Amino acid sequence: QQQVKQSPQSLIVQKGGISIINCAYENTAFDYFPWYQQFPGKGPALLIAIRPDVSEKKEGRFTISFNKSAKQFSLHIMDSQPGDSATYFCAASGGSTLGRLYFGRGTQLTVWP
Amino acid sequence: KAGVTQTPRYLIKTRGQQVTLSCSPISGHRSVSWYQQTPGQGLQFLFEYFSETQRNKGNFPGRFSGRQFSNSRSEMNVSTLELGDSALYLCASSQQGGNEKLFFGSGTQLSVL
Repeated sequence: QQQVKQSPQSLIVQKGGISIINCAYENTAFDYFPWYQQFPGKGPALLIAIRPDVSEKKEGRFTISFNKSAKQFSLHIMDSQPGDSATYFCAASGGSTLGRLYFGRGTQLTVWP
Repeated sequence: KAGVTQTPRYLIKTRGQQVTLSCSPISGHRSVSWYQQTPGQGLQFLFEYFSETQRNKGNFPGRFSGRQFSNSRSEMNVSTLELGDSALYLCASSQQGGNEKLFFGSGTQLSVL
């Protein structure tokens, strides 16, 4: 079954707006939650990651919010730019699955100028 | 430092054939993982190697196999190709494996006719 569920599948945001992508997981043993960004023709690249001992992590315009009790985490992109247009994947790993990432299905983000 | 290099970039095969894909990790990285990416199933974990040993294996049939050499370079092999094996095959490397940053290559696009 899908270990990590991601929504929405696609997202259109105006330049300067906030993009929000949500993910939910089932396995309580997961303790590492990265977000990857993928451009066409390229492999995914790590954007930002969080561990469950903090509820929020910010790096520049990108913020992860983490809710351990709800088993949910989300990516917020502030001041979205056309260059942010890409596919975003959330992922999770941990416990006996160490070294193996379970990915969400991805969100195709389009930022209009 | 050179990134993760995957060869070939594109490959066309016919059903029943076998194929070998190659991955050169970032220098100093000892862990290599392989993922299959398709529009329908997203990113699915195939296997992970560390110091020439397979540490993790995903839910793929035995037709999918891999190995890692003493210089950390890795190969994956798919025998008796099926139409459904058409996908982008991504290799990722990291220093130790586990919950740390994965660096992905650009992938090998395999088309099975």
